Amino acid sequence: RKEVEQDPGPFNVPEGATVAFNCTYSNSASQSFFWYRQDCRKEPKLLMSVYSSGNEDGRFTAQLNRASQYISLLIRDSKLSDSATYLCVVSLWGGATNKLIFGTGTLLAVQP
Amino acid sequence: DTAVSQTPKYLVTQMGNDKSIKCEQNLGHDTMYWYKQDSKKFLKIMFSYNNKELIINETVPNRFSPKSPDKAHLNLHINSLELGDSAVYFCASTRTGPTNTEAFFGQGTRLTVV
Repeated sequence: RKEVEQDPGPFNVPEGATVAFNCTYSNSASQSFFWYRQDCRKEPKLLMSVYSSGNEDGRFTAQLNRASQYISLLIRDSKLSDSATYLCVVSLWGGATNKLIFGTGTLLAVQP
Repeated sequence: DTAVSQTPKYLVTQMGNDKSIKCEQNLGHDTMYWYKQDSKKFLKIMFSYNNKELIINETVPNRFSPKSPDKAHLNLHINSLELGDSAVYFCASTRTGPTNTEAFFGQGTRLTVV
């Protein structure tokens, strides 16, 4: 089982749609949680951190459920420019383990 | 100013050759990483360095040898290149600690072994 699992998609949605991505992680010792965005042939960039209380940044809302080891990302009113791969990321820190673990990514294609 | 820069951006080489990829960050971060992104786009950690010391080696073949001359640099040397080494290699850096660990990535090095 992969440490961080995501539905690879692709998710093909029309402009203006609401789309939700889910992610599960296997290590309950994971400490921090993030969504990254990667455009085609570019490096990943931080989209937002994810907190248990949930957090929102404009059209983007992220949620964390530690008990279920589940992370979600909701994108409202999709724009063409949202087309990218969305990567769920968890961090493990301490002792001999300092790393960010990436999910396989979910590809979003927003259609005009 | 580029936060994390790696060179070269593209590298095409023959099997059996030895090559190096360089990475530098000007963010003052203590921790640097090498990740490999294969054809299926999966980003897998290879190495993690903290204050020039190796923290993680994720069962990478010993043909891959990272070197960190100082906190701001983490280079990757690859001996006896194989076809399966073809991938995009990303360098990244973060601050040290479990929180606020936003990773900044270099633009990637697209390695093609022929």
